[in-house]
Amino acid sequence: NAGVTQTPKFQVLKTGQSMTLQCAQDMNHNSMYWYRQDPGMGLRLIYYSASEGTTDKGEVPNGYNVSRLNKREFSLRLESAAPSQTSVYFCASRAGGWNEQFFGPGTRLTVL
Amino acid sequence: GENVEQHPSTLSVQEGDSAVIKCTYSDSASNYFPWYKQELGKRPQLIIDIRSNVGEKKDQRIAVTLNKTAKHFSLHITETQPEDSAVYFCAASDGGATNKLIFGTGTLLAVQP
Repeated sequence: NAGVTQTPKFQVLKTGQSMTLQCAQDMNHNSMYWYRQDPGMGLRLIYYSASEGTTDKGEVPNGYNVSRLNKREFSLRLESAAPSQTSVYFCASRAGGWNEQFFGPGTRLTVL
Repeated sequence: GENVEQHPSTLSVQEGDSAVIKCTYSDSASNYFPWYKQELGKRPQLIIDIRSNVGEKKDQRIAVTLNKTAKHFSLHITETQPEDSAVYFCAASDGGATNKLIFGTGTLLAVQP
């Protein structure tokens, strides 16, 4: 089992460019999440998908969109990147209820 | 929505001492409280969790306590070792259909040899 995988590992964008961060899990989990991590701010939830076919906003959704492509894959899109979106992005998945949430290795994004 | 506050933001202890990190939450519906450890440059990983029907849980040198009335929970690490140095995050969830975890802002623990 690969667990939760993310691509790319690193990315540099110019202001206004767009990109999609990819995430996949092979644990047959129902729920998937996107977080951003900034120094001193902890892990803030951007969007989540409680189950296949549903997506909802988290704490900081502005400037992002998501797609739950199927049960395995959950992508995060930046339509017009801004320097404020420079961060480390983590994808995570969870079976549900009181089960452990597993994180991917992260994507370090820099917007110039 | 849920809000989780975590203190202290940094904690330095001598090897062998105990470390305590505290969190408070706002939503009385929350019933699942995990703790994650994140080493530098790595992903967060679960170290211990507790459900609302339990007041305390222990796993070797790590323990978590929960006070539902006061809406706070704490992580206790005894006999700290240099490899315990990391950032620790608490989180809270209502375990409902959304399965959302809301995280605290993290505690940087430094264990001095």
